[in-house]
Amino acid sequence: SAVISQKPSRDICQRGTSLTIQCQVDSQVTMMFWYRQQPGQSLTLIATANQGSEATYESGFVIDKFPISRPNLTFSTLTVSNMSPEDSSIYLCSVPGQGVGELFFGEGSRLTVL
Amino acid sequence: GQQVMQIPQYQHVQEGEDFTTYCNSSTTLSNIQWYKQRPGGHPVFLIQLVKSGEVKKQKRLTFQFGEAKKNSSLHITATQTTDVGTYFCAAYMDSNYQLIWGAGTKLIIKP
Repeated sequence: SAVISQKPSRDICQRGTSLTIQCQVDSQVTMMFWYRQQPGQSLTLIATANQGSEATYESGFVIDKFPISRPNLTFSTLTVSNMSPEDSSIYLCSVPGQGVGELFFGEGSRLTVL
Repeated sequence: GQQVMQIPQYQHVQEGEDFTTYCNSSTTLSNIQWYKQRPGGHPVFLIQLVKSGEVKKQKRLTFQFGEAKKNSSLHITATQTTDVGTYFCAAYMDSNYQLIWGAGTKLIIKP
């Protein structure tokens, strides 16, 4: 199984600011996924980040709001830009396993926007 | 869009009682995965079902995949406090490769 480290684990941010979340994996992976989980809700895929290409965003998410970097096969960042209280969520990075197609998740970054 | 409906949203049980959560789709599923998320934690993969009518067991957990591959269930026998959390199903549809998540069922043990 993959070991995924996310930073920060939690943060309290002011409206209008931006925050970058880092995700480090202990092995090389082609695809990394960024999810958002609003309080008490299910997971929503923000984008898929492949090394060497632009991230692919899901409907309702745009690059200007959630820019993603994927500089190598073990690391990715997600920035939440110009934050508003509606962005208060858990943000999770995820990578596919090498078994049956399961996903492994980082511990999550819990953001509160005031 | 395509959806996987998961019910119930919450289930309150006394410790030692059984718990079941169900996932249903109107379209055929390629496979279905189950995850557990402890309070304050992140989702953790439990199992994947692929075959029509498949049944798998992990200790007190029994996972089933329907004959038509449109529904699945997770049953926990004799719940324990360590079972507390939210259980999510997630499935790949036959028609595309996007993982569709259920809404989750929160297992709450009554004090």
